[in-house]
Amino acid sequence: QLQLQESGPGLVKPSETLSLTCTVSGGSFNSNTHYWAWIRQPPGKGLEWIGSVYYSGSTYYNPSLKSRVTISADESKKQFSLQMTSVTAADSAVYYCARSVWSWSGCFDHWGQGSLVTASS
Amino acid sequence: EIVLTQSPGTLSLSPGERATLSCRASQSVSNNYLAWYQQKPGQAPRLLIYNTSIRATGIPDRFTGSGSGTDFTLTISRLEPEDFAVYYCQQYGSSPQTFGQGTKVEIK
Repeated sequence: QLQLQESGPGLVKPSETLSLTCTVSGGSFNSNTHYWAWIRQPPGKGLEWIGSVYYSGSTYYNPSLKSRVTISADESKKQFSLQMTSVTAADSAVYYCARSVWSWSGCFDHWGQGSLVTASS
Repeated sequence: EIVLTQSPGTLSLSPGERATLSCRASQSVSNNYLAWYQQKPGQAPRLLIYNTSIRATGIPDRFTGSGSGTDFTLTISRLEPEDFAVYYCQQYGSSPQTFGQGTKVEIK
């Protein structure tokens, strides 16, 4: 059973960098039919795709966040990571990692439980 | 970017009733690449339907997706107690992939 688990600080100071890691277990990380994605959800609001990464490192970002986001993959550890710079209160959200099917622009068939990140001093 | 508008915002129904949820796109969804997710409080979304009408693994047949172009529908034929949740549509035919704002199905 494929499982994804987010990890990282729950509190980030405004203007600093948010860093999260997702660890994949119970399944393949280097499948050629799946990508790995970060999605966020502000409290009480909807979902926003942040970006996706292939196991080999190719990345795809939401243009609205591209200037502040870096996503990377570590095949040996079966992990992928998110870094978001210059955070503000508007970046406070539950951050999910998920598996994207067939393409970097695909639906998401497995999700982590989510990690709440608050941007506050 | 394609904007998805879901309606109604809230649907108040009783167990056993039929639920019809709408998702309208601001432009045609390429290849009808539209998915539906269910989210319960404190949980991650769960994939229900992809490619407009294909049920994901383990999803009961009371969930049916339909539509094409800009108008899509999720129908729950007979609501079970565990179906009361928020439902989101997502288009992944155009970049960036986008989600609707959600429809809450609540117990009447």
